[in-house]
Amino acid sequence: SQQGEEDPQALSIQEGENATMNCSYKTSINNLQWYRQNSGRGLVHLILIRSNEREKHSGRLRVTLDTSKKSSSLLITASRAADTASYFCATDAWGAQKLVFGQGTRLTINP
Amino acid sequence: EADIYQTPRYLVIGTGKKITLECSQTMGHDKMYWYQQDPGMELHLIHYSYGVNSTEKGDLSSESTVSRIRTEHFPLTLESARPSHTSQYLCASSVSGVYNSPLHFGNGTRLTVT
Repeated sequence: SQQGEEDPQALSIQEGENATMNCSYKTSINNLQWYRQNSGRGLVHLILIRSNEREKHSGRLRVTLDTSKKSSSLLITASRAADTASYFCATDAWGAQKLVFGQGTRLTINP
Repeated sequence: EADIYQTPRYLVIGTGKKITLECSQTMGHDKMYWYQQDPGMELHLIHYSYGVNSTEKGDLSSESTVSRIRTEHFPLTLESARPSHTSQYLCASSVSGVYNSPLHFGNGTRLTVT
């Protein structure tokens, strides 16, 4: 079964608003990564948070990690139309040699 | 954008044809991966490699094969394409390390088998 699951599956907001996406996973992890995928393109790495970190920032992105709840959230502040994309979390489980991706959240920013 | 290239970008072929999807990276990464992704859906790992002459099957059963003769090149071959192979195929690479490093993805090959 899938290690990471994103919630919601789809999110539509107005430009300028904040967007929050959540990811839950099942087993202990080394790190958790977030990726963005524009329509018809490959994935682009956004941010990596290690299991001993609780929060990380990169520009307008803020990622939190709660290992006790096995969950992570991605916050995009002051959204722009260019943020329209699918966002995936990927987990690096202990003992695994590969990342496992969730099913993604499709984010639409309305102008 | 990462220096990882996939060709062709789009491919439409008939059932029973043999095809090879090309993937090359110029970053000197040891690890390379092939993922299959249906539109709007999750990624499924079908093959990966830790280096030259190393190949492993992923989580999703696939009728494809891969080879890794050179560090920079990781082609995927379908001996006999079927309509069920219609999907997007994404190649990725990463540096080696104790933990899984961020992946660099190509833009994918969208395959349609008629």
